[in-house]
Order: sequence, then C-alpha cells, then structure tokens
Amino acid sequence: DVKVTQSSRYLVKRTGEKVFLECVQDMDHENMFWYRQDPGLGLRLIYFSYDVKMKEKGDIPEGYSVSREKKERFSLILESASTNQTSMYLCASCRQGAHEQFFGPGTRLTVL
Amino acid sequence: GQQVMQIPQYQHVQEGEDFTTYCNSSTTLSNIQWYKQRPGGHPVFLIQLVKSGEVKKQKRLTFQFGETKKNSSLHITATQTTDVGTYFCAGGSGYQLIWGAGTKLIIKP
Repeated sequence: DVKVTQSSRYLVKRTGEKVFLECVQDMDHENMFWYRQDPGLGLRLIYFSYDVKMKEKGDIPEGYSVSREKKERFSLILESASTNQTSMYLCASCRQGAHEQFFGPGTRLTVL
Repeated sequence: GQQVMQIPQYQHVQEGEDFTTYCNSSTTLSNIQWYKQRPGGHPVFLIQLVKSGEVKKQKRLTFQFGETKKNSSLHITATQTTDVGTYFCAGGSGYQLIWGAGTKLIIKP
C-alpha cells in the first residue's frame, strides 16, 4: 500500500513564526504536491515538485516555499506565519504525469 | 487559467434517493479523476476516466466522461449512509490535476 505521512496532524503556531510541514511517501513517486483546503474552496495547489530539487508554483504560492532534497520527502515552509494561513494542509504524491494522487492525512494548522 | 466548475456545492438527500454531481472544464482534459473525502478524512481516489464518452460503474456509482472531454458526472443510485462525504472531480492537465470545489453529500435523517 502507498503510504503518505505528514509530520503533524495538528499544529498551533503564533503569527510571525517559521513553520515547517513535512511529507514523506514510500512509493518512489516522482511527483509531490502541497495543497491547502478551506471550506467551500476545495483543494488549492500551493506548490508541486516533479523531481528532486525541482519545484513549480501552484495557484497560491505567496507566503510559502518548499524544499525537495530527497525523492521521498517534500517540505512546505511558512517563512512568517500569518492568521490567514490557518488551514488544512494536504500533501499528495503520484507517479510521473497526471495520475492518481495519494494523500497524506493532513495537518490542521492554526496560526494565532 | 484553467478551471473545473463543480455543481452543486451541497446536496441533501433522503437515504435511498439518488445523487448526482457534475463537473465542467474550460479546456479539454487528458483525463478526469474522482475522489471521495469522508468527514475528517483526506481525499481518496475512486476512479479515472480517459476516453471520450467513457462510462464506468462501481456498484451503485456511475461515472461518465463527456464526448468533448470537457465534462463529467458521478451518479450514485440509492444512497446509503456510507456514501456521506465530499466528492471531488479533478481534471488531468500536464503534471497537474485541476480540482473542482467538491459536492458535499448530506443524508437527511
């Protein structure tokens, strides 16, 4: 079974803090994605990566950065957290191309 | 940019009634995928359609991909409480999927 794990299920941070969200997949997938999910807005793509050290901006990259130093790991970084970044963050992976995506359990981030 | 519109946003049904959600894309898609997200859970892949006009069934669920590859639908016959959740369509485009906003299926008590 494909497994995608995320470092935390729940996280509470203060405005201005640097936040790291980590995602690890065990199926040797080339593509990895970070989404945020807010009520009524569906899934919005923040960044994706199609190879190690490669990254592409999604629809809402402002305020975020990413790192992919190893194929199995994709990190999302909030350089200076703000209250409008309170959300559910979902990581996903898939093999090369627009194929079935496997999601992690999500991290519910609250920024106070 | 590319968009996939999904309607309705919510659908309330009595148990045993049917449910349908529709997706329309502004551009031709390479494929359409459907996912289900249970309350408190994460999206889980249901199916992928690739061919123009394709129809696939999974028990009480019927998935269609339009002739123009710009629209799709999911129909559930005789809903059960286990069907509760949000159903998302996602259109394949290059490396990415373009996601619909989802339709939340609510079963009326």
